[in-house]
Amino acid sequence: GAGVSQTPSNKVTEKGKYVELRCDPISGHTALYWYRQSLGQGPEFLIYFQGTGAADDSGLPNDRFFAVRPEGSVSTLKIQRTERGDSAVYLCASSSVGGETQYFGPGTRLLVL
Amino acid sequence: DAKTTQPPSMDCAEGRAANLPCNHSTISGNEYVYWYRQIHSQGPQYIIHGLKNNETNEMASLIITEDRKSSTLILPHATLRDTAVYYCIVRGVSSGTYKYIFGTGTRLKVLA
Repeated sequence: GAGVSQTPSNKVTEKGKYVELRCDPISGHTALYWYRQSLGQGPEFLIYFQGTGAADDSGLPNDRFFAVRPEGSVSTLKIQRTERGDSAVYLCASSSVGGETQYFGPGTRLLVL
Repeated sequence: DAKTTQPPSMDCAEGRAANLPCNHSTISGNEYVYWYRQIHSQGPQYIIHGLKNNETNEMASLIITEDRKSSTLILPHATLRDTAVYYCIVRGVSSGTYKYIFGTGTRLKVLA
C-alpha cells in the first residue's frame, strides 16, 4: 500500500515568509508525528497527533511553528516569519495507533534564504 | 526516555555480517529497542524492534542482552545497498507520548 507522502519535496523561501508543509499519513493511521532533521544530526521530535488533537507539542521550538490535523488524516506544519535557522528536512511519520511502529515519509527539504 | 550510545562509524565488507552495537544502560522495563536506518536523502526506514527477546525478520536480527542494557543489530550478509546511517532508539511511554529520541547513529559503510 501507499506509504507516508509529503509535499512539497523541496521548498525554497525567503527569510520572513510563511510556509506550509503537508503530510499524508498511511491510510487508517491515527497517530502522526513531525520531526525536524538538521544536517548531520538525527531527527528531532516536534509534535505528535492522536487523531485530530496534538497530544504532545513539546518539541515545537517557538510560537512561529504550528501544526494542524483537522480531520484526523492529513496534517500541515506551518512556519511563520521563517528564519535561516529553520532550514532543515522536515519529516512526517505515522503509526496505526500511538505506541506502534512509526513509518516515515521522504521529508520536505526547506531552505530559507 | 533512555538515551542510546552508538559508535559514529563502521565499515563492513560486502557479503559479511555487519554487527552494529548500541548501549542503552538506563533503559526501563517497559521500553522497547527500535532500529531504523536512513539512506542518504530518504526518510528513516524501520528495520526491527524488540523488548526482551531476540528478534529476527527478513532484514535483520536483533540481539538484546539479558540485562537489556545493550543490543546488537545484525545484518547477516551486508550489501552495498546497506550503506546508511543506523539509529538505535529506546522508546517507552513518557507523559503520554510515543516520540522517538534519535541520537547521531552509526554510519555504516559496506565496502566492495
